[in-house]
Order: sequence, then C-alpha cells, then structure tokens
Amino acid sequence: NAGVTQTPKFRVLKTGQSMTLLCAQDMNHEYMYWYRQDPGMGLRLIHYSVGEGTTAKGEVPDGYNVSRLKKQNFLLGLESAAPSQTSVYFCASSTLDRAGELFFGEGSRLTVL
Amino acid sequence: ELKVEQNPLFLSMQEGKNYTIYCNYSTTSDRLYWYRQDPGKSLESLFVLLSNGAVKQEGRLMASLDTKARLSTLHITAAVHDLSATYFCAVDTKPIFTGGGNKLTFGTGTQLKVEL
Repeated sequence: NAGVTQTPKFRVLKTGQSMTLLCAQDMNHEYMYWYRQDPGMGLRLIHYSVGEGTTAKGEVPDGYNVSRLKKQNFLLGLESAAPSQTSVYFCASSTLDRAGELFFGEGSRLTVL
Repeated sequence: ELKVEQNPLFLSMQEGKNYTIYCNYSTTSDRLYWYRQDPGKSLESLFVLLSNGAVKQEGRLMASLDTKARLSTLHITAAVHDLSATYFCAVDTKPIFTGGGNKLTFGTGTQLKVEL
C-alpha cells in the first residue's frame, strides 16, 4: 500500500522558473492538503481540497496554484519561483470522518536559486 | 489568528528520564493532534484528542488535553533513544464545511534528543 506519494522528491529551480509537484494517494481519501515546512515555523497550509474539482486557499497561498482534477491526485504549481519558496513541501490526505488524522507523503525538497 | 506554541523547542534528555512537552493554543478548540517526525522523514499521527480531559497512551508516551486551559501535554516516561524525533501538536480550526473536515494549525515542533 503506497499511501501518499509525492514527486519529485528533490528539485532545484532558478528564480522565475515554473514547476509542478504531484501528489497521489491510493486510500480513496476525500481531503487533500499541501503544506510547506520551514525551520522554526512548523507546517503551514498552502492550499487544500475537500473533493475532486474543488480547491481552497490555506494560510500561505500566494505564489502557488493547485488543481484536483482526479480524486487521487492533487497538484501544486509554482508559476514563477522565488527564493522565498525554498522549502520542504508535504502533501497530506485524510478521510471525511477522521479529517484531522493526516497521512503525509515523504516530502519534496525544493530549492530556488 | 490561531497561534499554537510548543515548549520547549529543543529537549535533550537521558535515557530513563521523564519529561513533558507543552502545547498551548490561543483559541477555543476541542480537537488536538500530536504528530511525530523523524529526521528527513514524513510526519505520522500519534494521538487524536477530541474532548476536554481526553487522555491517550501509547507505550512511553501519554497525551492529554485541557480545553479550558487551551493546553495539551505530551508526557514521556522513561525515555529511550528510539523516541528521538520532532514532535508537533496541531489544533483543529473551524470546519471546512458542515459535516466534517477541518484545517490544522501546527505548532513549531519540539525536537527531542534522547542520549544513550
């Protein structure tokens, strides 16, 4: 059982480049989330989705876009990467009735030069 | 704006000792979660606390919730090296929509190192 899978695991970008992080879950979870983790700041919610075709902004959405065209996938896009977006990105998913119990992916380390 | 504060941020302790990690939050909530993260790894759920006075135990770890004090504690009994990790508490904010769902606000984490 793969759980939550993120690709890529590592990426280095130059300022202004764009990229997409892919999150896939095989647990048939309704909710999916993208967080970023920075030293000393815990995890901060970027965007989330409560179902296929729906997305919403979290705490730090600026500079990111998301899409959830299929229930099992949640994509995070950076349109024009900035050094402030250097971070570790975690995708997570949860069920409808146990929404606070998040299942996390392994993380994607992004460096923007 | 909900604030979730953990202390200490760093904790170095010897095997066999007891200690408590504290998680304070700034707004009313009766849903609190503890997660563990090993270095370079993902987060995994440890405890789910869903009411005032809730207490959960797993091995050498015990978590409790006092919603009136807006405080949760994670108590470590007779620490062992394998408990070395970063521990996060996360507080549930308003539901995403009626019928379920939530948004978690995470604390900054407590990095625990248990010395052999």
